[in-house]
Amino acid sequence: GNSVTQMEGPVTLSEEAFLTINCTYTATGYPSLFWYVQYPGEGLQLLLKATKADDKGSNKGFEATYRKETTSFHLEKGSVQVSDSAVYFCALGPNNNDMRFGAGTRLTVKP
Amino acid sequence: EPEVTQTPSHQVTQMGQEVILRCVPISNHLYFYWYRQILGQKVEFLVSFYNNEISEKSEIFDDQFSVERPDGSNFTLKIRSTKLEDSAMYFCASRSVGLAFGTQYFGPGTRLTVL
Repeated sequence: GNSVTQMEGPVTLSEEAFLTINCTYTATGYPSLFWYVQYPGEGLQLLLKATKADDKGSNKGFEATYRKETTSFHLEKGSVQVSDSAVYFCALGPNNNDMRFGAGTRLTVKP
Repeated sequence: EPEVTQTPSHQVTQMGQEVILRCVPISNHLYFYWYRQILGQKVEFLVSFYNNEISEKSEIFDDQFSVERPDGSNFTLKIRSTKLEDSAMYFCASRSVGLAFGTQYFGPGTRLTVL
């Protein structure tokens, strides 16, 4: 079945550091891939998405490229800020209906 | 920008009681979902709903759960007899067809605490 494996956290970085959060997936067919962000005390917000191979999703300085050959969708940002501290979820779907989420990676950015 | 809303933001209940969690999806969306997130764990799919019926449900969505679209705007999740392990954040989501196909928009969640 469809599933997502995400690097475990927590991840702690200094401001302006480079961020990578790894995400790999297993899927049948051609799913869409997503990154959602959850800020403290809030719900899930769509950060970016890619709907087909080689697509790059980007938003707020974050990027992720849908790589079919490596079944990956790693999240990157060149220079993180304190305000980026949150939990990041990689997700896949929907082929049928349900979205499959990774376990989430907690990012803490220190000034 | 339209958004999914959920009420209440926090619900506290006693074990064995019934709770109803409410969601107002984005108005032109046709697919509706419930997910839950037990504290510190991953977000898990519960159920999807389309054309006034359940289209898919997970193994978590057993007989104590039900969903309903009682009118043209609300989408509810009922838990008939709550257990301690139902304590979680419950997220509603909705999506449309067409250009936004595949993107589910999530509400802010309802934190359910079962005592």
